[in-house]
Amino acid sequence: QVQLQESGPGLVKPSETLSLTCTVSGGSISSYYWSWIRQPPGKGLEWIGYIYYSGSTNYNPSLKSRVTISVDTSKNQFSLKLSSVTAADTAVYYCVGVATIRGGGYYFDYWGQGTLVTVSS
Amino acid sequence: DIQMTQSPSSLSASVGDRVTITCRASQSISSYLNWYQQKPGKAPKLLIYAASSLQSGVPSRFSGSGSGTDFTLTISSLQPEDFATYYCQQSYSTRITFGQGTRLEIK
Repeated sequence: QVQLQESGPGLVKPSETLSLTCTVSGGSISSYYWSWIRQPPGKGLEWIGYIYYSGSTNYNPSLKSRVTISVDTSKNQFSLKLSSVTAADTAVYYCVGVATIRGGGYYFDYWGQGTLVTVSS
Repeated sequence: DIQMTQSPSSLSASVGDRVTITCRASQSISSYLNWYQQKPGKAPKLLIYAASSLQSGVPSRFSGSGSGTDFTLTISSLQPEDFATYYCQQSYSTRITFGQGTRLEIK
């Protein structure tokens, strides 16, 4: 069973860069696409972007100018960097394994437990 | 962007009730529609993918239907553990989007 675990600072100052890492266990990082999704407190889900093990990426256009997702296959990890953060970036951040559907489409299959990142001085 | 609109936003129901949640896309998304369940403090859990395929391990009281722009999630007989928030999600577009959620509460 694939398991994911987020790690990184829980508090980031405004204008700085949020950095999170997701460690994948129980499966190869080459098997899936890998995504980050966030959820502000009390609100809905927002897709941030995804990466394939080859390094190809797809980002949410609303965040694209500030987001970088990278993968380290040697460590079975992928990472998120979000620059120039503001209070609006305060959210629970989930790392997620993305399964592809034969014929097209994706679904979010394996989820980390989520980590709350607060943007505050 | 493809906008996903769920209705209702909240719903009160009793154990044993049949419940239907609707998700409407702002343009046709074929069958590229998934449903998730989220309980407080927990990560979402996939219930249905490709509009009507039941994820392994999900009880058969959950079912999904629809194609194009209109989709439904049905719970045939509500159980106590089903009270949660439900989200639809489209993957037709490379910009993946979710519905705003439907909160299912105990009456």
